[in-house]
Amino acid sequence: EVQLVESGGGLVQPGRSLRLSCAASGFTFDEYAMHWVRQAPGKGLEWVSGISWNSGSIGYADSVKGRFTISRDNAKNSLYVQMNSLRAEDTALYFCTKDKDASGSYFDYWGQGTLVTVSS
Amino acid sequence: DIQMTQSPSTLSASVGDRVTITCRASQSISSWLAWYQQKPGKAPQLLIYKASSLESGVPSRFSGSGSGTEFTLSISSLQSDDFATYYCQQYNSYFTFGPGTKVDIK
Repeated sequence: EVQLVESGGGLVQPGRSLRLSCAASGFTFDEYAMHWVRQAPGKGLEWVSGISWNSGSIGYADSVKGRFTISRDNAKNSLYVQMNSLRAEDTALYFCTKDKDASGSYFDYWGQGTLVTVSS
Repeated sequence: DIQMTQSPSTLSASVGDRVTITCRASQSISSWLAWYQQKPGKAPQLLIYKASSLESGVPSRFSGSGSGTEFTLSISSLQSDDFATYYCQQYNSYFTFGPGTKVDIK
């Protein structure tokens, strides 16, 4: 059974940093691309960042480019996102998602999310 | 960047109704489109990929069609479990979600 478990969310002041983690199990982690998708309270879904199976291809939404850094550790079956210079508009539930392919397509499994609140 | 729109934003329907949701892309995305269902407090679940392919385990009352810039998600006979919000997503160039369509009880 595929499981994606996010952690690392919490309350953080504007301008500070936070690192989210996603522990994956139930599939061969190093064969698939992975992504972070977020959902602000009461709003829709926004793709944040994605990383290919071997970290050779990485992409970011314009809204986080230059502030967020995605990474993965295939030995630990884990996905990460380092979020710097956080803003109030980064407040959201952050989902870790598994891609159907190695380099990027649709998302066939989602974690339950970790909540990030940016507020003073 | 590819922009996605959905219509309607809210749809009121009854159990047994046929429901259709439209998704439009700002430029051609071929058939690189997925549909997701999200219930309150839950993560989205994949329903359809490549515009018309049904994900394993998804009831056959769900179907998708379209290519290029216009796509539809249909539910042939709405069930109580189907009241939720539906999102389309393009994966032709990076990834963009539509704003969602909420299906609620009439």
